[in-house]
Order: sequence, then C-alpha cells, then structure tokens
Amino acid sequence: EPEVTQTPSHQVTQMGQEVILRCVPISNHLYFYWYRQILGQKVEFLVSFYNNEISEKSEIFDDQFSVERPDGSNFTLKIRSTKLEDSAMYFCASSLTGTGNTEAFFGQGTRLTVV
Amino acid sequence: DQQVKQNSPSLSVQEGRISILNCDYTNSMFDYFLWYKKYPAEGPTFLISISSIKDKNEDGRFTVFLNKSAKHLSLHIVPSQPGDSAVYFCAASDGTSGTYKYIFGTGTRLKVLA
Repeated sequence: EPEVTQTPSHQVTQMGQEVILRCVPISNHLYFYWYRQILGQKVEFLVSFYNNEISEKSEIFDDQFSVERPDGSNFTLKIRSTKLEDSAMYFCASSLTGTGNTEAFFGQGTRLTVV
Repeated sequence: DQQVKQNSPSLSVQEGRISILNCDYTNSMFDYFLWYKKYPAEGPTFLISISSIKDKNEDGRFTVFLNKSAKHLSLHIVPSQPGDSAVYFCAASDGTSGTYKYIFGTGTRLKVLA
C-alpha cells in the first residue's frame, strides 16, 4: 500500500541551527502539507503546497519556515534558525486532490528536538 | 479559536461494547469531516470521513454520524476491540473557500479494556 515516508524519524538540533525535514509523498498525489504536534497538544496545520507553490500557510509558518519540492518525489520543510518552541512532531501529508473532499495521508512523523 | 472541539479527553470502554466519540465544530462553512486514529509516535491514520451532504457513513465497525444543525459529529465503533485503543482526532475542512487544510480537534484517548 502506498505510504508517505518521512526522514529522519528523530532530529536533535541546537537552537539557532537550520534543519531540513524530508518527506516523500504518495507518488500520484498532487497536494502536500506539513502539520505539527507539540507534545500533548493538537495537530496544527502549517502549510499546503500545490503546483510548486504554497497554497495556504498558517500564522505559525513565519519567515523562518520554507518548503520546497526540489525534484519529482521529495517535499521538504526547512527551519532556518530553530527555536526551543519548534520542538514538536512534524507530519508530512499528501492527498490526491485538495482537502475539500478527500482524505490526506500522513507520514510517521519526524520528532524534532531543539536543545 | 477552537473551531473543532473534542470535549472528552479520554474514554474507557469494555471490549465488545460500543465506543462513541464526539466532536463539535463552530464553523458552519465546514463541509467535510474526517476521523483519524493515532498511536503514540506514529502519524495520524485515516479512518473514515463524511461529506456535509450526508448524515451517516459506515465502514465496517466504524460509523460516523453528522448533525449539521447541531454542528456535531460522532464516531461509533461497534464492537470495540483492544486494538482500537488510540487517540482519535476529528478534523474538518472548508472546501468551498478553496482552502486546503484540516482543522483538528484536540483528540480523545480511547482505551478498550479486555
């Protein structure tokens, strides 16, 4: 069964460092997303991406964040200068169409720990 | 601004009985609703969805009911099994506005007792 894969599963980084979280969405999907979940809190939308550009982003997704689809398969989230409060599980998701009427499939997540 | 609310943080149910998980929303523009199941240290797994044009959708042991006038949906699991023990998230989206995001509830931790 096709699945969304994320690497690494766990990333520890020092405050102020740049991190890149990687995702391989399901191959025929067209819409890509990043969500995050801070420990004990709800899953929060960060950004959606379609046709090589950002469709929508949340207030959390400030100038420190960027996304890219560098080739036909990968989808990355970059945090330029990490802060302690960026520590969270980051989930990549993809869907065949926009989430207006279809389910998104989530990866296993990357646990980011900023120290 | 909690547009999607799951007011019960936890629920315990005996194996074989019915589990009912509830979700309320405030945004009347939401037209698509989903339930995801999540195990610790894993990503959310899609369970079942319902469009606002329906009031019920069934898939095996899982049934989702939607009451638009009350802005309420519920997930019924019958019969409950120990493997159903997980955190269940309700999510909603507004497809008409062209947005491409889900708004998640805070989750309900279901424990099915053997």
